[in-house]
Amino acid sequence: AQSVTQLGSHVSVSEGALVLLRCNYSSSVPPYLFWYVQYPNQGLQLLLKYTSAATLVKGINGFEAEFKKSETSFHLTKPSAHMSDAAEYFCAVRGDTGRRALTFGSGTRLQVQP
Amino acid sequence: EPEVTQTPSHQVTQMGQEVILRCVPISNHLYFYWYRQILGQKVEFLVSFYNNEISEKSEIFDDQFSVERPDGSNFTLKIRSTKLEDSAMYFCASSGQDRETQYFGPGTRLLVL
Repeated sequence: AQSVTQLGSHVSVSEGALVLLRCNYSSSVPPYLFWYVQYPNQGLQLLLKYTSAATLVKGINGFEAEFKKSETSFHLTKPSAHMSDAAEYFCAVRGDTGRRALTFGSGTRLQVQP
Repeated sequence: EPEVTQTPSHQVTQMGQEVILRCVPISNHLYFYWYRQILGQKVEFLVSFYNNEISEKSEIFDDQFSVERPDGSNFTLKIRSTKLEDSAMYFCASSGQDRETQYFGPGTRLLVL
């Protein structure tokens, strides 16, 4: 079974500041990990994914995430926040067992202050 | 860029009524999914569908739910007798040959009164 914990339901940063959104996972098999972003009144858009290749994954809009097996973490970062980054961010895990259901975290709402 | 589309964007129904939520997956995709997000809660998996049959379903997907691919382009979720607790945003997703990445539609917000 898989599970995802996102620490911090709300994160607020200043424009230009570092963004760090935390995600820890639990999986009985090597995981596939994903970050999705949800803008207001929109669906889920894939930001990036880890599928057992490079541990540092680069995504769209300047975001990246690092898979750390020893810490069971997959934190999302962006060096410099932009106002347009304000959204809800979801971490998700899928086990590499042929099952394709994604298990999502509870989400982190990112606010960017001018 | 191809995208998953869903109709309607919003639906209001009375408790006990049947609803059908429609999705058009990305055209060359083979795997289809439904998820739901009750307001303020996590996105939850409902069902996956491949080769015209359900390949996986969650505990939420009980007998009141059904899925169908009635033609080569649509993928539907039917709720036979809606309950108040079915009020949620329902997301359709699809994935292609890589099977790893699920692309989500914009969702249908269902309100059961």
